[in-house]
Amino acid sequence: QQPVQSPQAVILREGEDAVINCSSSKALYSVHWYRQKHGEAPVFLMILLKGGEQKGHEKISASFNEKKQQSSLYLTASQLSYSGTYFCGTEMVNDMRFGAGTRLTVKP
Amino acid sequence: DSGVTQTPKHLITATGQRVTLRCSPRSGDLSVYWYQQSLDQGLQFLIQYYNGEERAKGNILERFSAQQFPDLHSELNLSSLELGDSALYFCASSPDSRDNQPQHFGDGTRLSIL
Repeated sequence: QQPVQSPQAVILREGEDAVINCSSSKALYSVHWYRQKHGEAPVFLMILLKGGEQKGHEKISASFNEKKQQSSLYLTASQLSYSGTYFCGTEMVNDMRFGAGTRLTVKP
Repeated sequence: DSGVTQTPKHLITATGQRVTLRCSPRSGDLSVYWYQQSLDQGLQFLIQYYNGEERAKGNILERFSAQQFPDLHSELNLSSLELGDSALYFCASSPDSRDNQPQHFGDGTRLSIL
């Protein structure tokens, strides 16, 4: 079952914050986050494991709520370089599913 | 540069044909994953190999097959091609078979079926 991401798209001004959500109908083992710029390969951002931990990467952080089977990606003080499509990937044993993606556009 | 190499970059062929996509994982990585990404769509997991053995299968059609060779490179074979098979095909690799490891993606092979 593919995880559901929201919103589908978001447009920000440089310096604004954004939150991207990822939810699953199944119990999750871990959540991956990747960013893909147009015409390029997805690039790994972070993995979150069960336990509700939060991780960070530059000004991008994420949380994982195992009970709610949800993860959220937080982009703080967005930069132009943050533009791209963000995918969450949910991992169960021997099974990796990606969401449809959230297209983030940061404008000057 | 992720260290994952995919060839060719672009492939244009006709319906009914067969093609082979090739992937060389990052040095030291034993696991290879294949994904299909249709226009403006998410990544659909096709199949995973670890050290030459099939480890996990996703939404891979019966017309598609893959293998991983002793030198750890992998090939994805697509046969009886249909227009709907036009997509970007990504290969990714990770160090071993354990879950919870980042996957490093190649630049993809763009397949166009005419």
